[in-house]
Amino acid sequence: DAGVIQSPRHEVTEMGQEVTLRCKPISGHNSLFWYRQTMMRGLELLIYFNNNVPIDDSGMPEDRFSAKMPNASFSTLKIQPSEPRDSAVYFCASSRGTGELFFGSGTQLSVL
Amino acid sequence: AQSVTQPDIHITVSEGASLELRCNYSYGATPYLFWYVQSPGQGLQLLLKYFSGDTLVQGIKGFEAEFKRSQSSFNLRKPSVHWSDAAEYFCAVGDTGTASKLTFGTGTRLQVML
Repeated sequence: DAGVIQSPRHEVTEMGQEVTLRCKPISGHNSLFWYRQTMMRGLELLIYFNNNVPIDDSGMPEDRFSAKMPNASFSTLKIQPSEPRDSAVYFCASSRGTGELFFGSGTQLSVL
Repeated sequence: AQSVTQPDIHITVSEGASLELRCNYSYGATPYLFWYVQSPGQGLQLLLKYFSGDTLVQGIKGFEAEFKRSQSSFNLRKPSVHWSDAAEYFCAVGDTGTASKLTFGTGTRLQVML
């Protein structure tokens, strides 16, 4: 099993640009999570999906952030327009619902 | 709302010494509790979890944790630390309605002296 796959691994962009982060969960997992990690705020849950349906997006910071899961094997997190304060490591994780989350290696986002 | 406190931001131990990382949680019912480890540049990996039953749980890499309801704690221990254990450790509490919706603590960075 390849694990949770995230792309890109690193993203550098300019303020105002659109950023799209991608995630492929582990096959057979029915839950998918997007987390953001910063030094100041630690790990924050942004949104999670169960069976491709968004269940809780209360952690999404503002309307500039959106997430989709069109099928069981793919999810995106989009930021439009991006701002310097969005700079962070974004993690995708998947789960079978047992409480064990399997994390991807993350996307290091830098917004200049 | 559930929350997790890890009071130690940074801990340094010598290789071969014992280790205890502290975790306190706040949750209205019996919680689901987890410890994850993060190596530099990597995602988090599950070390162990507690759902119910025996309050002393064993995990991977020789780690164990003890659930103490009276103290709202779930401390992580290892009898003898190896240099490869240097990493960041996160305690997390899960919602009993949705075990996978986790709230993480701020983490404890472990440094191991050779």
